[in-house]
Amino acid sequence: DGGITQSPKYLFRKEGQNVTLSCEQNLNHDAMYWYRQDPGQGLRLIYYSQIVNDFQKGDIAEGYSVSREKKESFPLTVTSAQKNPTAFYLCASRTTGPPAFGSGTQLSVL
Amino acid sequence: AQSVTQPDIHITVSEGASLELRCNYSYGATPYLFWYVQSPGQGLQLLLKYFSGDTLVQGIKGFEAEFKRSQSSFNLRKPSVHWSDAAEYFCAVGAGGGTSYGKLTFGQGTILTVHP
Repeated sequence: DGGITQSPKYLFRKEGQNVTLSCEQNLNHDAMYWYRQDPGQGLRLIYYSQIVNDFQKGDIAEGYSVSREKKESFPLTVTSAQKNPTAFYLCASRTTGPPAFGSGTQLSVL
Repeated sequence: AQSVTQPDIHITVSEGASLELRCNYSYGATPYLFWYVQSPGQGLQLLLKYFSGDTLVQGIKGFEAEFKRSQSSFNLRKPSVHWSDAAEYFCAVGAGGGTSYGKLTFGQGTILTVHP
């Protein structure tokens, strides 16, 4: 089945630790996106990539990093510089149509 | 800069009643507009989209939305709400078709509660 796979479903981070969230799609979509969701704040764009080896900062990129080495993969690293990482993270992808979403990763701080 | 405003954070309706969720957007060109629905702890499911053509668009689950350029609005409606419609709803705006895959902006969401 075609779709977007995010893993893990739940992730815990210790102080000072970097963690990486995985996003893989087999929809052959060109663009991929990472959103952060906090209660009452909707979805805020962290990073997006329109083609391989290129990406742009979104509205809240500080404390995050990404790479786009393959069309189907767009991992997000939450660095130790992100002081409030607890949130639900959603990955999305699209070509010309509306974005499709993964099922999300809940990141919490230990 | 593009933006989306959903003025209602939380709406409560009775089952069988009609529903309208408001969405206002700001975008410099022809907008590509979407409505999504999200159940707790899940991803977003597309309800409907608008890019061009008929300003009244039909979606899944009996939802429809009307694009009003003069009011910069894209309100979501349903004539009779079912208990299973209880969820959070998001409006979004972005660049339209062609080869433009750019930034997508979402509203803050509206939580819908349905009373039996």
